[in-house]
Amino acid sequence: NAGVTQTPKFRVLKTGQSMTLLCAQDMNHEYMYWYRQDPGMGLRLIHYSVGEGTTAKGEVPDGYNVSRLKKQNFLLGLESAAPSQTSVYFCASTDSNQPQHFGDGTRLSIL
Amino acid sequence: AQSVTQLGSHVSVSEGALVLLRCNYSSSVPPYLFWYVQYPNQGLQLLLKYTSAATLVKGINGFEAEFKKSETSFHLTKPSAHMSDAAEYFCAVSDQGSSYKLIFGSGTRLLVRP
Repeated sequence: NAGVTQTPKFRVLKTGQSMTLLCAQDMNHEYMYWYRQDPGMGLRLIHYSVGEGTTAKGEVPDGYNVSRLKKQNFLLGLESAAPSQTSVYFCASTDSNQPQHFGDGTRLSIL
Repeated sequence: AQSVTQLGSHVSVSEGALVLLRCNYSSSVPPYLFWYVQYPNQGLQLLLKYTSAATLVKGINGFEAEFKKSETSFHLTKPSAHMSDAAEYFCAVSDQGSSYKLIFGSGTRLLVRP
């Protein structure tokens, strides 16, 4: 039982490059979330989805896009990476008001 | 708007001593509250949750938290710290709307001295 799987685990990008982070969950959860974690700031919500085909903005959505074409997958895209997007990215999922399950994170550095 | 405040970005205790990590929340509706733990280079793991049942909530690894509405607090405690408790701890409040979003505090790093 894998739970929430994030790929890749590490990535280094140059400013202006694009990339997609993949989150996959095998628990048939309706709700999925993307957070970023920065020192001293906890986790901040980037985008979220309440079901297949839906997405919504969170607290810090600028510079990111998301898609939820399949219920089990939630993709986070950076169209033109900036150094301010250097962070650790976490994906989470849940069903109704149960605790969210988190992946192990993706460490992204942008030079 | 909901918010969470964790007092103390770092807390240091001796092995065997009481652990107390503070969390205060702001919410206009009865909150659902959570404590998560993060070990180095890992994701977040649920320690415990409060969902309006018993005000004293017991979690994993000997941790517990007490919901105090009058103080808008949900402090995390453990009677005796172990070296393995060294980690970062996050308090979070749930958006009880249709999206179940979490609002996190800034985290408290627990250091355990031998």
